[in-house]
Amino acid sequence: QITLKESGPTLVKPTQTLTLTCTFSGFSLSSRGVGVGWIRQPPGKALEWLGIIYWDESKRYSPSLDTRLTITKDPSKNQVVLTMAYMNPVDTATYYCAHRRPTLTYGGSAFDIWGQGTMVSVSS
Amino acid sequence: DIQMTQSPSSLSASVGDRVTISCQASQDINNYLNWYQQKPGKAPKLLIFDASNLETGVPSRFSGSGSETDFTFTISSLQPEDIATYFCQQYDSLPFTFGGGTKVEI
Repeated sequence: QITLKESGPTLVKPTQTLTLTCTFSGFSLSSRGVGVGWIRQPPGKALEWLGIIYWDESKRYSPSLDTRLTITKDPSKNQVVLTMAYMNPVDTATYYCAHRRPTLTYGGSAFDIWGQGTMVSVSS
Repeated sequence: DIQMTQSPSSLSASVGDRVTISCQASQDINNYLNWYQQKPGKAPKLLIFDASNLETGVPSRFSGSGSETDFTFTISSLQPEDIATYFCQQYDSLPFTFGGGTKVEI
């Protein structure tokens, strides 16, 4: 059974760096095709795709956040870490990590299992 | 970025009704589209992948169709447990954008 769980601070100050950890079980991030993505959702708003790290160490980031975002993995701990620099109040959101699975279509991709999410507020 | 426009943004229907949600992409995304269901206070759940494939364990009253820029999500017979917000997501081009969501109420 695949599970993921996000952890990290619930409150950060403007200009600080956010570090969130996604701890997972039930799969290996070294298995071909597998990835872990990050998605966030401001209160009452839509989902926003942030980035993803794949089994082969490759990473993709949202272009609008590329200069602020870093995703790394620690396979020995079954963890993926997201760091986001220069946090500001508009970054207040629930942050989710999710398991990426290749689908039937060539290059296909779906987030089939999600963590419960962690709410992060940005305020002084 | 590819813009994903969902309509309507909300709808109210009765139990047993057929519900249809539209998702339009700002450019051709082939069939690279997924649909998710999100209940209040919960994480999204994958329902449909590759535009029309039903995720394992998802009831058959849910379905998806479409291609290129126009996609449709259908609940053939609305059930009380289907009260949720539904999102489409494209994965043709970075960033893999989501639609604005459609809130379904009874």
